[in-house]
Amino acid sequence: DTAVSQTPKYLVTQMGNDKSIKCEQNLGHDTMYWYKQDSKKFLKIMFSYNNKELIINETVPNRFSPKSPDKAHLNLHINSLELGDSAVYFCASQREGASPLHFGNGTRLTVT
Amino acid sequence: GNSVTQMEGPVTLSEEAFLTINCTYTATGYPSLFWYVQYPGEGLQLLLKATKADDKGSNKGFEATYRKETTSFHLEKGSVQVSDSAVYFCALGGSNYKLTFGKGTLLTVNP
Repeated sequence: DTAVSQTPKYLVTQMGNDKSIKCEQNLGHDTMYWYKQDSKKFLKIMFSYNNKELIINETVPNRFSPKSPDKAHLNLHINSLELGDSAVYFCASQREGASPLHFGNGTRLTVT
Repeated sequence: GNSVTQMEGPVTLSEEAFLTINCTYTATGYPSLFWYVQYPGEGLQLLLKATKADDKGSNKGFEATYRKETTSFHLEKGSVQVSDSAVYFCALGGSNYKLTFGKGTLLTVNP
């Protein structure tokens, strides 16, 4: 069983469209994250939810909106996509504050 | 705030060479330290961790020792293999739920 799964794996879309990425974890963790990885492999945290409550919201355009229907799911919706949104987006989950993160395999978003 | 600085890559080695990837950190309190590895096309995986000063984390032949006096957590492996080719990230974990990553070091091992 995949611990952290995200879909789709690849997403190609045009500027101005709206798209969603879904993430699910079966580890029973309370905390979930979205990270963005750019072409230079730099990882930037975007959001974090703890038990469905938003606890970290970094400086991210408000075109990005996370939603956590329950503590096992954290989805990311992006409105009005721009070229600069092209990146790999990773979902991750964590048991508690200083414990390791478990990452999904990423969603490669390409905006044309 | 917390920060992690790791050596810039890329690092290219021949098989069976010795590997060191330097990592230093600044932090308040007593963070946990991690090394993550990202193989091509995959997400990050925990490689090893250390939770307090002088702890040594080890896994798959890789080692790193938590050195509080030098604020370092350097990754080492005595004999690298082609299959170790990946991006390696040093990270620092605090109690505020936000893991701080270094910028990553690309390692390529040639046969």
